[in-house]
Amino acid sequence: GENVEQHPSTLSVQEGDSAVIKCTYSDSASNYFPWYKQELGKRPQLIIDIRSNVGEKKDQRIAVTLNKTAKHFSLHITETQPEDSAVYFCAASMVSGTYKYIFGTGTRLKVLA
Amino acid sequence: DGGITQSPKYLFRKEGQNVTLSCEQNLNHDAMYWYRQDPGQGLRLIYYSQIVNDFQKGDIAEGYSVSREKKESFPLTVTSAQKNPTAFYLCASSKAQGGETQYFGPGTRLLVL
Repeated sequence: GENVEQHPSTLSVQEGDSAVIKCTYSDSASNYFPWYKQELGKRPQLIIDIRSNVGEKKDQRIAVTLNKTAKHFSLHITETQPEDSAVYFCAASMVSGTYKYIFGTGTRLKVLA
Repeated sequence: DGGITQSPKYLFRKEGQNVTLSCEQNLNHDAMYWYRQDPGQGLRLIYYSQIVNDFQKGDIAEGYSVSREKKESFPLTVTSAQKNPTAFYLCASSKAQGGETQYFGPGTRLLVL
């Protein structure tokens, strides 16, 4: 069935360093890939997304890259700050059919001051 | 995000009791979703609806029921058949088109007495 694998499950970085989270999807029909940030006890919030006709997208310190051939996409956070500490979820969706998301299992990012 | 609300914030269920979680949105979205999140875990899809008077089971529908009588509302009932209902329940909505962002409500935390 459809599946999204996300690694690592936990990630600790020093403040100012970069963090990379990787996801691999199984359904080659997937062509929309959002990333969500969830702080403790709060709702997930979209931080960036990418569509399959684009290889990379950047928004200030956050970037996402997509490799359709390998069926994986990655979140890159540069110059990390303590407020980046949260759980990050990737997801994959199709632009036709049910539109439902398949979520990854999440990465807990800790930025150490 | 302010356009999607959930109530109550906390809900306590007694043994054998059915409880209903409310989800309302004023974003004019056709699609709505219910997810369950256990502590330290990812998001699992319970039910989703892409249009009024129609809904589909997600990955963990057993012990839950929904209705979609109005575009703005998608209530979730946790029945007595759900033996382990303690979790954080998140409602989301989106346009019923491919590649659209899902926006999440603030969540309801359900606890069993």
